Amino acid sequence: DVKVTQSSRYLVKRTGEKVFLECVQDMDHENMFWYRQDPGLGLRLIYFSYDVKMKEKGDIPEGYSVSREKKERFSLILESASTNQTSMYLCASSFNGGDVNIQYFGAGTRLSVL
Amino acid sequence: GQNIDQPTEMTATEGAIVQINCTYQTSGFNGLFWYQQHAGEAPTFLSYNVLDGLEEKGRFSSFLSRSKGYSYLLLKELQMKDSASYLCAVVDSNYQLIWGAGTKLIIKP
Repeated sequence: DVKVTQSSRYLVKRTGEKVFLECVQDMDHENMFWYRQDPGLGLRLIYFSYDVKMKEKGDIPEGYSVSREKKERFSLILESASTNQTSMYLCASSFNGGDVNIQYFGAGTRLSVL
Repeated sequence: GQNIDQPTEMTATEGAIVQINCTYQTSGFNGLFWYQQHAGEAPTFLSYNVLDGLEEKGRFSSFLSRSKGYSYLLLKELQMKDSASYLCAVVDSNYQLIWGAGTKLIIKP
């Protein structure tokens, strides 16, 4: 079974702090994604990566950055956390190839910024 | 703009059948996914449709009509464990997923 592990289930941070969210997948997937999930909205793509050291902006990259130094690990960084970044953050990975690129998700990190 | 519409919430009875609809307007179409998400858990893959018609997988089936921009997820013989949110997502012309807000399904005994 594919496993996508997010380092924290719950985080509470203060405004202005630098926050790191870590995600690790164990299926050698090329693609990795960071989303945020807010009530009443669909998942919104923050950043994604198709390969090591590669990153692409999604729909809402402002206030975020990412790092992919190893294939299995994709980190989301909030340079200076703000209250409007309080949300559920979901990491996903997928295989790059085949007809159907199913995304496999981690359990999420619920971040509260006070 | 791109838009995926699903009902916010539905209620059904254990043992019954429920149909969750999804309509979409996207720049291009390269497939449609349905995911299930229990409260506080990861979304998990249920089905994928790229051609018109019905795909059946056990108690769950998914239908697609590309000309109508419409899909539905059909759940039969409902069980309490089916209480969850169901997310519809369309693969657009850039092969990115556009997500609906999800439908919360409540199952009553």
